[in-house]
Amino acid sequence: GAVVSQHPSRVICKSGTSVKIECRSLDFQATTMFWYRQFPKKSLMLMATSNEGSKATYEQGVEKDKFLINHASLTLSTLTVTSAHPEDSSFYICSAISQGNTGELFFGEGSRLTVL
Amino acid sequence: GENVEQHPSTLSVQEGDSAVIKCTYSDSASNYFPWYKQELGKRPQLIIDIRSNVGEKKDQRIAVTLNKTAKHFSLHITETQPEDSAVYFCAARTGFQKLVFGTGTRLLVSP
Repeated sequence: GAVVSQHPSRVICKSGTSVKIECRSLDFQATTMFWYRQFPKKSLMLMATSNEGSKATYEQGVEKDKFLINHASLTLSTLTVTSAHPEDSSFYICSAISQGNTGELFFGEGSRLTVL
Repeated sequence: GENVEQHPSTLSVQEGDSAVIKCTYSDSASNYFPWYKQELGKRPQLIIDIRSNVGEKKDQRIAVTLNKTAKHFSLHITETQPEDSAVYFCAARTGFQKLVFGTGTRLLVSP
């Protein structure tokens, strides 16, 4: 199957700093990528839908200015958590659908963010 | 938008027993229903999926059934093994739109 790589897998930062997480489709072109957030023992909550070359579509309640999403190419989407606070600590997972795919979603490994 | 409910939240079975997890969805236009297995700290792994033009699909010990009229679908695991212990998520999607996940079921298989 297709491979989605996410980096970094773990990051610890201080409050007030910004953190960038990268999501790459390694062997296919992804016109659409999704960013999810998962709290401990909870389900995956969709944060935003990222479309190559256009602005991301954010879910209700997700702050656009805090979670900056960029999808500059067909193989790369980035999530930047700006001015991070401890409540932003979470597991962030990206996923992608390939152009020719019939609908299966391929997930990255996830990034565990800890804000001190 | 789509809403997916999942039951039970926790399921404990003995090795060799069967396990059934049920999900209901709200959007009658949803046409793709995957099931994921997630181990602690790992990415969700697709274990089986079904599309709305099919009522049942089976892959070895895993099967999924879909009732479009009632808008519910179920995951069936037979001959459970300790390595089946994980959190399982159902999901539903309309076309190529976003995937909406259920709340998850923590399955524990005791030897």
